[in-house]
Amino acid sequence: GAVVSQHPSRVICKSGTSVKIECRSLDFQATTMFWYRQFPKQSLMLMATSNEGSKATYEQGVEKDKFLINHASLTLSTLTVTSAHPEDSSFYICSARAPGGQGMVAKNIQYFGAGTRLSVL
Amino acid sequence: AQTVTQSQPEMSVQEAETVTLSCTYDTSESNYYLFWYKQPPSRQMILVIRQEAYKQQNATENRFSVNFQKAAKSFSLKISDSQLGDTAMYFCAFMKHGQGGSEKLVFGKGTKLTVNP
Repeated sequence: GAVVSQHPSRVICKSGTSVKIECRSLDFQATTMFWYRQFPKQSLMLMATSNEGSKATYEQGVEKDKFLINHASLTLSTLTVTSAHPEDSSFYICSARAPGGQGMVAKNIQYFGAGTRLSVL
Repeated sequence: AQTVTQSQPEMSVQEAETVTLSCTYDTSESNYYLFWYKQPPSRQMILVIRQEAYKQQNATENRFSVNFQKAAKSFSLKISDSQLGDTAMYFCAFMKHGQGGSEKLVFGKGTKLTVNP
């Protein structure tokens, strides 16, 4: 099946620093990637939709300048949490999709990374 | 806007027994997809099963099957012969049909399923 790699799995940083999270589709080209945030014991909250080569579309209430998303290639999207603060501590998950399907990758399915646990001290 | 409701925050089942998780949704779309995702303690989201709204036949994947009632906007998941590895959060999700690739998943709040030995 499709593999989406997310790195790092865990990061601890000091308040005020920036943190970059990478999301890679390992065996397919993902024209669209999604970034989610998940608080403990809650559901996934979509933060933004990232299309290769264009600006990300952010959900209402998500600060664009705080959460910078870059989707420079068909296999890589990055989320940078700028000037992180303790309230940004959370579990961040990416997903990738190949709308038309590719090989073993089914169309219209989002494949998820394993998530990144961010702790801001 | 679409909404997905999972009315059972927690459920438990004995190993080898059958359990059904409920999901209802609200939409004005006629063509869409429905999914069940599983999130075990590792927190990796895993697709369990999917259903395309235009298909009347209920989807089945080994021990997992759905009861899709389009008119009632209901999409329940049945797990047969429950195994300890089925212990996880289960999320029901909706996605409207589109060709652009940016269609979003709308998730329910989840049901925490515990399989007891």
